[in-house]
Amino acid sequence: DVVMTQSPLSLPVTLGQPASISCKSSQSLVYSDGNTYLNWFQQRPGQSPRRLIYRVSNRDSGVPDRFSGSGSGTDFTLKISRVEAEDVGVYYCMQGTHWPRTFGQGTKLEIK
Amino acid sequence: EVQLVESGGGLVQPGGSLRLSCAASGFTFSSYWMSWVRQAPGKGLEWVANIKPDGSEKYYVDSVKGRFTISRDNAKNSLYLQMNSLRAEDTAVYYCARGNNIADWGQGTLVTVSS
Repeated sequence: DVVMTQSPLSLPVTLGQPASISCKSSQSLVYSDGNTYLNWFQQRPGQSPRRLIYRVSNRDSGVPDRFSGSGSGTDFTLKISRVEAEDVGVYYCMQGTHWPRTFGQGTKLEIK
Repeated sequence: EVQLVESGGGLVQPGGSLRLSCAASGFTFSSYWMSWVRQAPGKGLEWVANIKPDGSEKYYVDSVKGRFTISRDNAKNSLYLQMNSLRAEDTAVYYCARGNNIADWGQGTLVTVSS
């Protein structure tokens, strides 16, 4: 199975400051069609998860542009340019290239 | 608007069975892969199973193979998860989700396996 390793697992951030979460996969996530199926999800307290980013860097509809995704191969990053109070929650990466699909452990973002 | 509404969760004894359902609306159900993802209390997300649009291919996480069966009824816009031989470690909120890369999630249904 592909292991997805996130860091840090806990991320205290001051409002208005940037934040960055790393996600590393144990195998390349480049699929045979040339696409890289790396997704980012946000789970606010008490809510279902919500996808933010698909295929490394594509924002889902309604996702603020302060969220951005980057990376390639086995190394990926989610960045928040300026953290707002509504960004509190747990962030997960997930690979959709290999079976079984696998998630990272989650990164808990809190306001400092 | 995409809507995914799960039902069928509840309390079941170890070794028992449960069938989860997911009613889908707001999109062409028969065109999409569908997924089940679970989350144990206070834990992270775990992908459970996927099914192809026509039901011809199914994939499972190793821990549920031989015990869980994913299925769908495209005429009813519904997704199912038949869970047999349930164990305490299957206790979780089970989410129905749209797509191979999980574009949309339901609100979840809680399954508790306990005596």
